[in-house]
Amino acid sequence: GDSVTQMEGPVTLSEEAFLTINCTYTATGYPSLFWYVQYPGEGLQLLLKATKADDKGSNKGFEATYRKETTSFHLEKGSVQVSDSAVYFCALTNQGGKLIFGQGTELSVKP
Amino acid sequence: GAVVSQHPSRVICKSGTSVKIECRSLDFQATTMFWYRQFPKQSLMLMATSNEGSKATYEQGVEKDKFLINHASLTLSTLTVTSAHPEDSSFYICKTGVSTEAFFGQGTRLTVV
Repeated sequence: GDSVTQMEGPVTLSEEAFLTINCTYTATGYPSLFWYVQYPGEGLQLLLKATKADDKGSNKGFEATYRKETTSFHLEKGSVQVSDSAVYFCALTNQGGKLIFGQGTELSVKP
Repeated sequence: GAVVSQHPSRVICKSGTSVKIECRSLDFQATTMFWYRQFPKQSLMLMATSNEGSKATYEQGVEKDKFLINHASLTLSTLTVTSAHPEDSSFYICKTGVSTEAFFGQGTRLTVV
């Protein structure tokens, strides 16, 4: 079945460092891809999305490009801040609104 | 965008009791509601899908008699954890919306002691 695999955390970075969180997927058809963020004690929030191959989703300085040839949707940010500390989930949805999540990657940014 | 209000945000209950979690869609007709569970350090796992006015569809391995889902209206879906045990302690979160526009509740942290 469809699945999402993320790099394991936790990831610890210094403020202003470059961030990459890898995400690859397995799916039939043409899924939509998402990154969600979960701040401590809160529910999930959509960070960005891409609905077709070569689309780039971006928000709050984060970017991810839908790469069908490598079945990847890696999350990047050029300069992280302490406030970016959270758990990041890569996800896909194919049909019927069912979201399939990766295992999540915890990011900790130190000042 | 649409807002989904989920409560309670935190609940502690004794083993053997039941807990009801509500998700209200405030400005959106939630025809379908998805219920997820997240154990510590793990990803969200879909438990069940409910459609307004019909029986919920449960994922493999989820006990339908233990996790009762009611979706009686387009604005309210409830999940009741019956005869809760410590292993049911988890983060429960509801989601509605279409595939490219999902709206999550704030989540409920359930602790069974």
